[in-house]
Amino acid sequence: GENVEQHPSTLSVQEGDSAVIKCTYSDSASNYFPWYKQELGKRPQLIIDIRSNVGEKKDQRIAVTLNKTAKHFSLHITETQPEDSAVYFCAAAGNTGFQKLVFGTGTRLLVSP
Amino acid sequence: EAQVTQNPRYLITVTGKKLTVTCSQNMNHEYMSWYRQDPGLGLRQIYYSMNVEVTDKGDVPEGYKVSRKEKRNFPLILESPSPNQTSLYFCASRAGGGDTQYFGPGTRLTVL
Repeated sequence: GENVEQHPSTLSVQEGDSAVIKCTYSDSASNYFPWYKQELGKRPQLIIDIRSNVGEKKDQRIAVTLNKTAKHFSLHITETQPEDSAVYFCAAAGNTGFQKLVFGTGTRLLVSP
Repeated sequence: EAQVTQNPRYLITVTGKKLTVTCSQNMNHEYMSWYRQDPGLGLRQIYYSMNVEVTDKGDVPEGYKVSRKEKRNFPLILESPSPNQTSLYFCASRAGGGDTQYFGPGTRLTVL
C-alpha cells in the first residue's frame, strides 16, 4: 500500500521568509496530492491540491510542485505571515474508484514576527 | 451550508463502556472515512465507506466498528473502549476518489 513520508517535522521561519515542506510517496499509481492546514484545535482544511497531469500549481502565496519520476511533491509558502503558523499535512491517493487517502505525519510551521 | 458534523465534540468515558460517535454530511458524498489523530502519527484511517452498506477496514480498525445504513450518516462504534483509544477522531467525506475531502470538527475522546 501507499506510504507517505513528510519532512521536516518542525519548521521555524521569520515572517517574510519562504517555507518549503517536502513529501515522498511510494505508490506510483497515486495521482492526487492534497495539502491540508490544521490550526490549533481545528479540523484539517484543504489549502491546495495537485493532480499528476500537472507539475506545479499556484494559489497566491502557496504553490505545490510534483515530480512523478522521483515520487515527491512539495509545498512552498512565500512571504510567510504569523497566521501561516499551523500544522501542515500532505497526502496521496489515486483518483479511480475509492483510493485511500494516505497522510504524512505533519509539519509544524512556526512563523515568528 | 455544506458541512460534516460530529457528535459529541468531547467525551470522557471509562474502560469498557460502549459508545458511539455520530457523523453526518449533507453533501450527498459517496465516500466517508474515520480517522484518528495522535501526536507525531498524523491522521490514520480507521474505517471507510464507499457507499451505503459498503465499508472496509483502514489502517487501524482494531477495537472499532462502523455502519453505513444511510448515505449521510457514518457512526463510529467503540464496543469496549480502552485507554489506548484515547485520541482525537475526525470524520470526513468526499464525493469521489480524487475529490476534496471535507473533515468534521473532531471528537476528543478520553478513555479512563
